[in-house]
Amino acid sequence: DAGVIQSPRHEVTEMGQEVTLRCKPISGHNSLFWYRQTMMRGLELLIYFNNNVPIDDSGMPEDRFSAKMPNASFSTLKIQPSEPRDSAVYFCASSPTSDGELFFGEGSRLTVL
Amino acid sequence: TQLLEQSPQFLSIQEGENLTVYCNSSSVFSSLQWYRQEPGEGPVLLVTVVTGGEVKKLKRLTFQFGDARKDSSLHITAAQPGDTGLYLCAGNKAAGNKLTFGGGTRVLVKP
Repeated sequence: DAGVIQSPRHEVTEMGQEVTLRCKPISGHNSLFWYRQTMMRGLELLIYFNNNVPIDDSGMPEDRFSAKMPNASFSTLKIQPSEPRDSAVYFCASSPTSDGELFFGEGSRLTVL
Repeated sequence: TQLLEQSPQFLSIQEGENLTVYCNSSSVFSSLQWYRQEPGEGPVLLVTVVTGGEVKKLKRLTFQFGDARKDSSLHITAAQPGDTGLYLCAGNKAAGNKLTFGGGTRVLVKP
């Protein structure tokens, strides 16, 4: 069975550019999570969705970040404009429930120069 | 300050030695999960503990949930290089709530 699929795996961009990260959750999972991981701050929850509806976006750093889930099989995390401090690995995870086991994708490593 | 504090932050041992990593909080959790993350990959669930005092074993790994459900430990017996990775604990304060992750313990097992 396919797991959580994220793209791109790696992205290098210049400050000020728009970045879009994509995620396809496991089919049948009702919850989708976006996390950011850095050495300094560890794994931080940015936003999560239940049944395609954003439930908690209190972890989104600022207005430059936005996330959408137009349907049960696709979500995007957008950063516009990007800044060097946004450099991190961004993980998407899905779960059958909001408090169950998380199934993570392989992550998207973002470098903003 | 993180809700879940993991210690130590880094541990380097020789193959065959034992190790214990800790996950502590001042808050009570309804359940706690342990994940292992290898370089270039996402975290993978190892175990979930839900009952105070619960002990679960997964081959050479032993997980314990504190009686008060505020802390947990992971003990690895006779560590092997394949145990190398970042160990993360994650807790739920109530059913249906989102998971909160600790800062992780990076374990290196040298052959």
